[in-house]
Amino acid sequence: NAGVMQNPRHLVRRRGQEARLRCSPMKGHSHVYWYRQLPEEGLKFMVYLQKENIIDESGMPKERFSAEFPKEGPSILRIQQVVRGDSAAYFCASSPFNPGQLTITNEKLFFGSGTQLSVL
Amino acid sequence: GQQLNQSPQSMFIQEGEDVSMNCTSSSIFNTWLWYKQDPGEGPVLLIALYKAGELTSNGRLTAQFGITRKDSFLNISASIPSDVGIYFCAGRSARDNQGGKLIFGQGTELSVKP
Repeated sequence: NAGVMQNPRHLVRRRGQEARLRCSPMKGHSHVYWYRQLPEEGLKFMVYLQKENIIDESGMPKERFSAEFPKEGPSILRIQQVVRGDSAAYFCASSPFNPGQLTITNEKLFFGSGTQLSVL
Repeated sequence: GQQLNQSPQSMFIQEGEDVSMNCTSSSIFNTWLWYKQDPGEGPVLLIALYKAGELTSNGRLTAQFGITRKDSFLNISASIPSDVGIYFCAGRSARDNQGGKLIFGQGTELSVKP
């Protein structure tokens, strides 16, 4: 039973290039979350998506960042025109959907191993 | 934005010792979670707490949801070398109705000397 899969594990980009980070949630999970972690800090919420819908993007910068979770395929976090300050570990998490236990179940997030983005 | 204050920032202990770390918040939380993160990996859930006053154990780990709903602690008894890692508290604010939108503490880095 595969966990949350993220790729690539490491991504190097030059300033001004685009970065695309992919996340495949656990089987049966329809909720995806993206978090960013700077060195020696805790994770910071960026965006919450369900299939084809952005539910909450309050933690995502308004410019250059976008996220999607299409009907088919993985969730994508896209960073355009990267800058050095974008260098960080980006983690994806997923949770199951259970209408009968929505509140409790949604809080059990299962994290992927992350993508380490380095901007030169 | 909302923040969790986690302490201590780091701990260096001898194998076999007990460990205690805690998190506090300025606002009320509905849920407290404790995660462990190994280098180069994502956080792994250790314990989840849902009610004020709740005390939950997972092997040598014990965590409690504070009565005021503004704090939580994690204890590790009889530490072993594989306990090494960074421990994060995380919580869901009472102001937030999105289940997976968690606020994380800054982490406690644990080192265990054999």
